[in-house]
Amino acid sequence: GAVVSQHPSRVICKSGTSVKIECRSLDFQATTMFWYRQFPKQSLMLMATSNEGSKATYEQGVEKDKFLINHASLTLSTLTVTSAHPEDSSFYICSARDLGAGLHSTEAFFGQGTRLTVV
Amino acid sequence: GQNIDQPTEMTATEGAIVQINCTYQTSGFNGLFWYQQHAGEAPTFLSYNVLDGLEEKGRFSSFLSRSKGYSYLLLKELQMKDSASYLCAVREWGSNDYKLSFGAGTTVTVRA
Repeated sequence: GAVVSQHPSRVICKSGTSVKIECRSLDFQATTMFWYRQFPKQSLMLMATSNEGSKATYEQGVEKDKFLINHASLTLSTLTVTSAHPEDSSFYICSARDLGAGLHSTEAFFGQGTRLTVV
Repeated sequence: GQNIDQPTEMTATEGAIVQINCTYQTSGFNGLFWYQQHAGEAPTFLSYNVLDGLEEKGRFSSFLSRSKGYSYLLLKELQMKDSASYLCAVREWGSNDYKLSFGAGTTVTVRA
């Protein structure tokens, strides 16, 4: 089946620094990728929808200047957490929709997730 | 918007059956998904319903009633490895694309 690779799986950074997380679709093309955040014992919250070649669409309450999203190709989207603070510590997960399966594809394929800890 | 509710926790015995209910309120409904998530890992797809009725996939079955805004995931012949969080997610039209909205998840603990 389709595979989404997310890197890194874990990262620890100092407060005030920036961290980049990559999300790649390995065997399919994805015009749309989704970025989620999950706090402990809570559900996935959609942060933004990443569209190849255009600006990302952010959910209400998500700061676009803090969470920079770039979707430069059909197989790669990146999320950069800028000026990270301890409250940004969370599990970040991306997912991708298979272009070949059409808009009504029945599965969203998830990356492995990135555990970010800001100290 | 949407309001997705599912129980927080359930416990069952190995070999038994467990049913996880999910209710939702949404406009622009376009399908309901169930995912399994083990601690520290990303969700994995289990099932998808867009029409009313029961979908069966091996030990897992999922049911949908669109008029009632209700779904359930049925896990049969429970195994220890089924201990995980089960997420109900509704797909609906967002500002310019379909998007998934997730419930808080139901933690299932399987005991010997």
